[in-house]
Amino acid sequence: EVQLVESGGGLVKPGGSLRLSCAASGFPFSSYSMNWVRQAPGKGLEWVSSISSSSSYIYYADSVKGRFTISRDNAKNSLYLQMNSLRADDTALYYCASPSGGSADYWGQGTQVTVSS
Amino acid sequence: QSVLTQPPSASGTPGQRVTISCSGSSSNIGSNTVNWYHHLPGTAPKLLIYSNHLRPSGVPDRFSGSKSGTSASLAISGLQSEDEADYYCAAWDDSLNAWVFGGGTKLTVL
Repeated sequence: EVQLVESGGGLVKPGGSLRLSCAASGFPFSSYSMNWVRQAPGKGLEWVSSISSSSSYIYYADSVKGRFTISRDNAKNSLYLQMNSLRADDTALYYCASPSGGSADYWGQGTQVTVSS
Repeated sequence: QSVLTQPPSASGTPGQRVTISCSGSSSNIGSNTVNWYHHLPGTAPKLLIYSNHLRPSGVPDRFSGSKSGTSASLAISGLQSEDEADYYCAAWDDSLNAWVFGGGTKLTVL
């Protein structure tokens, strides 16, 4: 069974930092590009960042560029998102996901990040 | 403002057929395939349609997708109460190097 389990969310003050983790199992993680996607309260899905299978290609949404860093450890089947200089508008449920053009399209249940003083 | 444009809401009665549109551009829908997702807030989005019109195993054939040029659509026939959810289209954008999503369509079964 495919599982993506996010962790690391929580309440943080503006300007603070958090590191999200995603533990993958049940599929060949090292062969898949991985992404972080978020959903702010009352808003739609918003792509945050992508990383290719070998970490050769990394992309960020303009809204997080320069503040967030995506990384992965294929030996540990894990995906990470280091979030610095957090702002109130970063408050969202963060999903670890592997959207693709095929049927192998996996999503976690999400981890909540709340930025508030 | 989402890169892909969807109507914010749609509705129908049980048994009816509803369609949800998704409009994009040459850099996303025009050059890449479209996915459709079923989403209940706070839960993991579920893939309904991939490669414009294909259904993953387990998705009923009541759900169908199509694409023409820079637009795509999702059709749900034989509407059921459990179809009430948010529906999102998504595609890779070659210019932005990003997955782009529609703003989501909230489907209400009357």
